[in-house]
Amino acid sequence: DAGVIQSPRHEVTEMGQEVTLRCKPISGHDYLFWYRQTMMRGLELLIYFNNNVPIDDSGMPEDRFSAKMPNASFSTLKIQPSEPRDSAVYFCASSLAGTGNGYTFGSGTRLTVV
Amino acid sequence: GNSVTQMEGPVTLSEEAFLTINCTYTATGYPSLFWYVQYPGEGLQLLLKATKADDKGSNKGFEATYRKETTSFHLEKGSVQVSDSAVYFCAHTNTGGFKTIFGAGTRLFVKA
Repeated sequence: DAGVIQSPRHEVTEMGQEVTLRCKPISGHDYLFWYRQTMMRGLELLIYFNNNVPIDDSGMPEDRFSAKMPNASFSTLKIQPSEPRDSAVYFCASSLAGTGNGYTFGSGTRLTVV
Repeated sequence: GNSVTQMEGPVTLSEEAFLTINCTYTATGYPSLFWYVQYPGEGLQLLLKATKADDKGSNKGFEATYRKETTSFHLEKGSVQVSDSAVYFCAHTNTGGFKTIFGAGTRLFVKA
């Protein structure tokens, strides 16, 4: 398996624009997580899905953020409109519950909003 | 509530020095415990794990022992290398085993 694949690796956008981050989890994993990492706040859980269904989105900072998982092999995180304070590295991770094998993280998307 | 506390960094060591990064946790039930490592510009990678009390997880010369009596999972390595410079995260799963609680991370610098 190629691991968790995120795209793009880097995104630079202007304030007010819509940004879409993409994630392909490991085949067969039943949980998918979106995290945000900044120097100030560290690693923050934004939302997670189980079998494509959103379970807990309490970490989503505000209504400008939304996430979807239309099928088991694809998820998106959208920010509309984007703001400079959204600049961070966004990670996607997937796991298979009950295996005790932990999470597999993608390489992340570094988002810069100017 | 569930939480993970790890020592603040940065930790700066010379090559071949002994490493300890302390980690304690609070959790209900019997969680699995993990150490993840994040190299610059990359995502977190699972370094080692332990699933029950007194288990020792090990990988790449790193070790950690699940101590239920002290709710700790300290990371150790006998001789660090420059290539070990990274951020290390201690973590545990919740009772259901599907959600992981991460510590704040400890940055390690190893000097040649």
